[in-house]
Amino acid sequence: DGGITQSPKYLFRKEGQNVTLSCEQNLNHDAMYWYRQDPGQGLRLIYYSQIVNDFQKGDIAEGYSVSREKKESFPLTVTSAQKNPTAFYLCASSIEKGEGNQPQHFGDGTRLSIL
Amino acid sequence: AQSVTQLDSHVSVSEGTPVLLRCNYSSSYSPSLFWYVQHPNKGLQLLLKYTSAATLVKGINGFEAEFKKSETSFHLTKPSAHMSDAAEYFCVVRPVPGYSTLTFGKGTMLLVSP
Repeated sequence: DGGITQSPKYLFRKEGQNVTLSCEQNLNHDAMYWYRQDPGQGLRLIYYSQIVNDFQKGDIAEGYSVSREKKESFPLTVTSAQKNPTAFYLCASSIEKGEGNQPQHFGDGTRLSIL
Repeated sequence: AQSVTQLDSHVSVSEGTPVLLRCNYSSSYSPSLFWYVQHPNKGLQLLLKYTSAATLVKGINGFEAEFKKSETSFHLTKPSAHMSDAAEYFCVVRPVPGYSTLTFGKGTMLLVSP
């Protein structure tokens, strides 16, 4: 079955440590997204990528970095510069071309906590 | 600026009674609108999406939403709640036609009691 796989499901970070969250999709979607979810905040966009080797900052990119070397993969690195990284991180993908009402499809998330 | 407002942070219903989750949006364009559902520690699942073809949109699991341009609303309804409907629901707008990013409401938690 096609879908989006996020790993790991739970992740712990020590102070001063960088951690990388994995996101892989086999839907052949052009665009991929990373969101951060905090209680009562809804989803906030961190980074997105519409094509391979290109990505744009979202609303809360500070302290995060991404790469898009392959169409199916969009890893997110939470750097030590992100002072409040504890959150639920969601990856999504969508068809980029076509009608404007294309929805985004989501993975099951990674919950990041600070030790 | 485009935005979406979910008018209730929590809604409580009894099993078998109707569900109404309210959403208002602002958009300078003809909007693309979606409702998603999220169960605990899971990703978001698409319930339904608005296309210009019909103002009443039917989704999965018996949910419907009606697009009312004059009221800038896109409320989500279901005639009879099930226990399995207990989850968080997000109203979402695409701010610019053809643009890939979305704007999310802050969510409404639906509580269903026996």
